[in-house]
Amino acid sequence: DGGITQSPKYLFRKEGQNVTLSCEQNLNHDAMYWYRQDPGQGLRLIYYSQIVNDFQKGDIAEGYSVSREKKESFPLTVTSAQKNPTAFYLCASSIISQQPQHFGDGTRLSIL
Amino acid sequence: GDSVTQMEGPVTLSEEAFLTINCTYTATGYPSLFWYVQYPGEGLQLLLKATKADDKGSNKGFEATYRKETTSFHLEKGSVQVSDSAVYFCALSDHSGGGADGLTFGKGTHLIIQP
Repeated sequence: DGGITQSPKYLFRKEGQNVTLSCEQNLNHDAMYWYRQDPGQGLRLIYYSQIVNDFQKGDIAEGYSVSREKKESFPLTVTSAQKNPTAFYLCASSIISQQPQHFGDGTRLSIL
Repeated sequence: GDSVTQMEGPVTLSEEAFLTINCTYTATGYPSLFWYVQYPGEGLQLLLKATKADDKGSNKGFEATYRKETTSFHLEKGSVQVSDSAVYFCALSDHSGGGADGLTFGKGTHLIIQP
């Protein structure tokens, strides 16, 4: 079955460390997205990509970086510049804009 | 900018009760509207959608009608079950800017159904 796979499910970061969250999709979708979810805050867009080798900042991109070297992969790096990284991170994809997005099961990042 | 406002939770109901979760929006263009559901520890699942005014989205007994005049997209279900307990998110996709630039979400409404 097609879908979106996020890994790992749980991740811990030490102070000053960069960590990378994986997102892979086999839905043949062009567009991919990263959201951050905090309790009571809903979801906020970090980065999105409409096509391979292109991506755009969302509403809260500071302290994060992404790459889109392959259509099926859109990894998110949480850098040491992100001072409050503890959150639930969700990856999504869609065929084109205006279509509903499909979500992965998320990665929960915590600080040691 | 675009925004979505949902009723605050948690909303606690008894099984077989009628459900309404209010959602209103602000958008510069002509958005598509969505309801997503999130079960504990999981990602979001699309529940239903509507792409233009007066459209009614429906799925699994849930319904919502796109009301342009009141900028609303309220979620309803006639008889809820314990298995409906989850967090519900209203969201919009505004096409005015073009491109795949993400959804704007409400803060979510936690629904608790008691047997």
